[in-house]
Amino acid sequence: DAEITQSPRHKITETGRQVTLACHQTWNHNNMFWYRQDLGHGLRLIHYSYGVHDTNKGEVSDGYSVSRSNTEDLPLTLESAASSQTSVYFCASSYDHTTDTQYFGPGTRLTVL
Amino acid sequence: AQSVTQLGSHVSVSEGALVLLRCNYSSSVPPYLFWYVQYPNQGLQLLLKYTSAATLVKGINGFEAEFKKSETSFHLTKPSAHMSDAAEYFCAVGYTGTASKLTFGTGTRLQVTL
Repeated sequence: DAEITQSPRHKITETGRQVTLACHQTWNHNNMFWYRQDLGHGLRLIHYSYGVHDTNKGEVSDGYSVSRSNTEDLPLTLESAASSQTSVYFCASSYDHTTDTQYFGPGTRLTVL
Repeated sequence: AQSVTQLGSHVSVSEGALVLLRCNYSSSVPPYLFWYVQYPNQGLQLLLKYTSAATLVKGINGFEAEFKKSETSFHLTKPSAHMSDAAEYFCAVGYTGTASKLTFGTGTRLQVTL
């Protein structure tokens, strides 16, 4: 069955370190998204991609970067982790159109000390 | 800019009672509307979506929602709550031209009591 996976599921890091969160989907979807979930804020879009070599900033992109070298993967990098980036991160993918369902991964809980 | 407001961050109902979770959107163009559910320690999964066809949309697990343009609302209902419905529910809005981007509400946590 097609799926979307994230790794690691839990990560503890220190302020200033570079961290990369992995997202891998086997749906063969064009679109991939990264969100962060924080209490009182719901899900906020960090970065998104509409295809290989395409990346776009979302509403909370400062301090994060992504690259898309193939259809299946969209890793999220925190260049220099900050305590404000402690959050739960979700990756999602969808086929093409706005009406297409976004399928979510299980999430990565990141703690920055 | 598109936005969605979920009224009530926490809703508590008794098992067997009606579930009503509220969602209002702001829009100057026809929206696409979604309800997602998140169970503890899991990702989000789609409950139902409105894509400009029928205004009453039926989803999984007995949930349904009605698109009311005059009220800019897309409230989620279920006639009879079950303990397994306890979860967090998110309303989201998208539009043609935003190319698959969705804006999510802040979520409503549903508690079901005996």
